[in-house]
Amino acid sequence: DVKVTQSSRYLVKRTGEKVFLECVQDMDHENMFWYRQDPGLGLRLIYFSYDVKMKEKGDIPEGYSVSREKKERFSLILESASTNQTSMYLCASIEGQGNTGELFFGEGSRLTVL
Amino acid sequence: AQKVTQAQTEISVVEKEDVTLDCVYETRDTTYYLFWYKQPPSGELVFLIRRNSFDEQNEISGRYSWNFQKSTSSFNFTITASQVVDSAVYFCALSEAYSGGGADGLTFGKGTHLIIQP
Repeated sequence: DVKVTQSSRYLVKRTGEKVFLECVQDMDHENMFWYRQDPGLGLRLIYFSYDVKMKEKGDIPEGYSVSREKKERFSLILESASTNQTSMYLCASIEGQGNTGELFFGEGSRLTVL
Repeated sequence: AQKVTQAQTEISVVEKEDVTLDCVYETRDTTYYLFWYKQPPSGELVFLIRRNSFDEQNEISGRYSWNFQKSTSSFNFTITASQVVDSAVYFCALSEAYSGGGADGLTFGKGTHLIIQP
């Protein structure tokens, strides 16, 4: 069974803390994505990666960075968490480049910043 | 720019009723792809269907059916004889070919929260 695994389902952090959200996929997919989901706003793309050590900004990259040191792992980093980054974060992967097939999602990481 | 509108924020029906979730899209491209995803309470979005702009045939999969109409730029989703397990948030999404048709160019609607009451 194919799988995208996000390391933490629920996190509570304080303002100013550094936060790492980890995502691992076991499907050997080239492309990986980080989305943010907020009520009334749907899913918004933060960053994506087409290959190891490669990253591209999505629609809302401010306040975030990413790391892709290995093909199967894509990390989202909040250098200094703020309350407006309280949200649900979803990782996804897809096979190939420019592929219009199925996105595979993790179960999400719900982050609360106090 | 591409845009997806799901006007229904929340729908509540009683089990066994039929329900239709609306999706209207905007695009400048003649080649594009439309998707529906389901997000159950567990949080993980699950792919339901993909349709390309040249294939206007309606699709049926069990109790699920999709009506694609280019003339009205709509890609509506109907659940027949709804069940409690259908309760979820449903997202419609659009990808334009000029953006490479890739998932980085995927635009999601804001989602419709479907509640099926027993």
